[in-house]
Amino acid sequence: ETGVTQTPRHLVMGMTNKKSLKCEQHLGHNAMYWYKQSAKKPLELMFVYSLEERVENNSVPSRFSPECPNSSHLFLHLHTLQPEDSALYLCASRKTGSNTEAFFGQGTRLTVV
Amino acid sequence: AQSVSQHNHHVILSEAASLELGCNYSYGGTVNLFWYVQYPGQHLQLLLKYFSGDPLVKGIKGFEAEFIKSKFSFNLRKPSVQWSDTAEYFCAVKDYGQNFVFGPGTRLSVLP
Repeated sequence: ETGVTQTPRHLVMGMTNKKSLKCEQHLGHNAMYWYKQSAKKPLELMFVYSLEERVENNSVPSRFSPECPNSSHLFLHLHTLQPEDSALYLCASRKTGSNTEAFFGQGTRLTVV
Repeated sequence: AQSVSQHNHHVILSEAASLELGCNYSYGGTVNLFWYVQYPGQHLQLLLKYFSGDPLVKGIKGFEAEFIKSKFSFNLRKPSVQWSDTAEYFCAVKDYGQNFVFGPGTRLSVLP
């Protein structure tokens, strides 16, 4: 248990569906991250929020839409996804302004059919 | 942009063998360096980290890593692996911003 909780753990959705992934931490961290982990590909950084402001958006398609309403919660809104978007989506958090590591959640296994 | 490379995609060892996994990064400034491990079906866990000071850092479960600035390297080592070390190992770098960039990972299989 890392203190970073992701829900749901598994999600199957059709290409026309709209769904959201949720990440929650109560570690007092103020930076949160979304990563995509696909088979045979490196862990891809998607979005970074620091102090609730998006500071990085690594050329992610607009069908992925992040939201960070407060420092404890991070969402990834999904719509009109493609089968190649099937992957493990990982959330991480850390405390900025100090030498600290990122803490990861268990991930959401997403399958797009 | 920062990039991280790991030398081996898949390493297979027998128990008690020594391990060294290579990691190189591209950024030339001040960096924070990490090794994470992902056991089958589990979340990414921190093995060890380097921020400053002694370039030889010790982590959990007998792992250590050496930061060599001139080589932009942060190799992971363990003198004697166990079957329970079977996992995927990721090197990661954080530079001046908030980005955490990961290498592609090395899968370690330890044969009993």
